[in-house]
Amino acid sequence: NAGVTQTPKFRILKIGQSMTLQCAQDMNHNYMYWYRQDPGMGLKLIYYSVGAGITDKGEVPNGYNVSRSTTEDFPLRLELAAPSQTSVYFCASSYSAADYTGELFFGEGSRLTVL
Amino acid sequence: AQSVTQLGSHVSVSEGALVLLRCNYSSSVPPYLFWYVQYPNQGLQLLLKYTSAATLVKGINGFEAEFKKSETSFHLTKPSAHMSDAAEYFCAVSGETGGTSYGKLTFGQGTILTVHP
Repeated sequence: NAGVTQTPKFRILKIGQSMTLQCAQDMNHNYMYWYRQDPGMGLKLIYYSVGAGITDKGEVPNGYNVSRSTTEDFPLRLELAAPSQTSVYFCASSYSAADYTGELFFGEGSRLTVL
Repeated sequence: AQSVTQLGSHVSVSEGALVLLRCNYSSSVPPYLFWYVQYPNQGLQLLLKYTSAATLVKGINGFEAEFKKSETSFHLTKPSAHMSDAAEYFCAVSGETGGTSYGKLTFGQGTILTVHP
């Protein structure tokens, strides 16, 4: 009954370092998303994927990259970390059925601090 | 384009009082609307959703929301607040269908609900 699993839960980076946030889902969802959450700003979409091998930019993609080689995994890579990337990152997934409504299933989040 | 506005970043109620969290949306197509709840240090979980069936939607933990097209609103209510309802609540809209935009949600800024004894 895992759902959406994110690792790590916490990470501190120095400016200029790189890292990858991992996300895996076991619900056979085609659609996967990365959001960032900043206080008072709600959630902003970074990247999303509608299936293996297909990704697209969201609202705030700068400074990030993604890949989707399998249905299950959707890692988010931060290149050259900057203080502005200090945030809580959420991975989410959803169905692709014909009666799809947009309900998202979220992981527990990854809290990243860039110093 | 679609957008969501949640009126009030903080709402404080007494235990047993009515909870009312306001959400207004804009969408160029008939929307799907959602309320999510986030407890401290956790991910978001779905409270309820409107998918063009009944306009009054009942969710978990005694919450409900009414879709009012004329007012472009989807306010969340609960008749009697409980201490365990303290959390942050997000309204979201999904109105885009087809192509690679399918299924993306646009979230409001969130409303923090505090419940006093």
